[in-house]
Amino acid sequence: AQRVTQPEKLLSVFKGAPVELKCNYSYSGSPELFWYVQYSRQRLQLLLRHISRESIKGFTADLNKGETSFHLKKPFAQEEDSAMYYCALSPNNAGNMLTFGGGTRLMVKP
Amino acid sequence: GAVVSQHPSRVICKSGTSVKIECRSLDFQATTMFWYRQFPKKSLMLMATSNEGSKATYEQGVEKDKFLINHASLTLSTLTVTSAHPEDSSFYICSARVPGVNEQFFGPGTRLTVL
Repeated sequence: AQRVTQPEKLLSVFKGAPVELKCNYSYSGSPELFWYVQYSRQRLQLLLRHISRESIKGFTADLNKGETSFHLKKPFAQEEDSAMYYCALSPNNAGNMLTFGGGTRLMVKP
Repeated sequence: GAVVSQHPSRVICKSGTSVKIECRSLDFQATTMFWYRQFPKKSLMLMATSNEGSKATYEQGVEKDKFLINHASLTLSTLTVTSAHPEDSSFYICSARVPGVNEQFFGPGTRLTVL
């Protein structure tokens, strides 16, 4: 069975500082990895996925199969980045059955 | 983008009663919808996969007779919590998959409180 681990429940940084939210996974096959974000009082929404290899709102994430990691990074954090971030894994390319990590709350202080 | 709604957003009920939560895809047809449960300060736990026109697929440990799922149309899936108990109090979130697009769109969630 697949598993997603986000070791940090809370990450607090100052505005302008670099941010890295860690995500590690375990799965025997070739998964698809996602990052979802939930802003205060809003629904969960997709931030980015590894296959698109794009930068959204300044965030990037690279799938490292050797380390089974998919860390989310941003060079300069903004206050509006404060939110709950969830790493998720799909065991196939059909978008079915997302397995979520425990989530990391990012707080960006002014 | 694709929009998913849930109704009600919040419900309070007495122990022993049944509660129905609706999940609708507003601008697309969803052959597959998903139901999640989120405990306070915890992650989302997949409860079941709802397939239009067929039986739902439940995750291990989720009682199918307790959490009845019906996906009668391509835009509506319902979750009924039967004989609710206080331990069923939680935040229930649905999502829908857009056919041909490898992405799930989430509803705003329903807060269930069982007294």
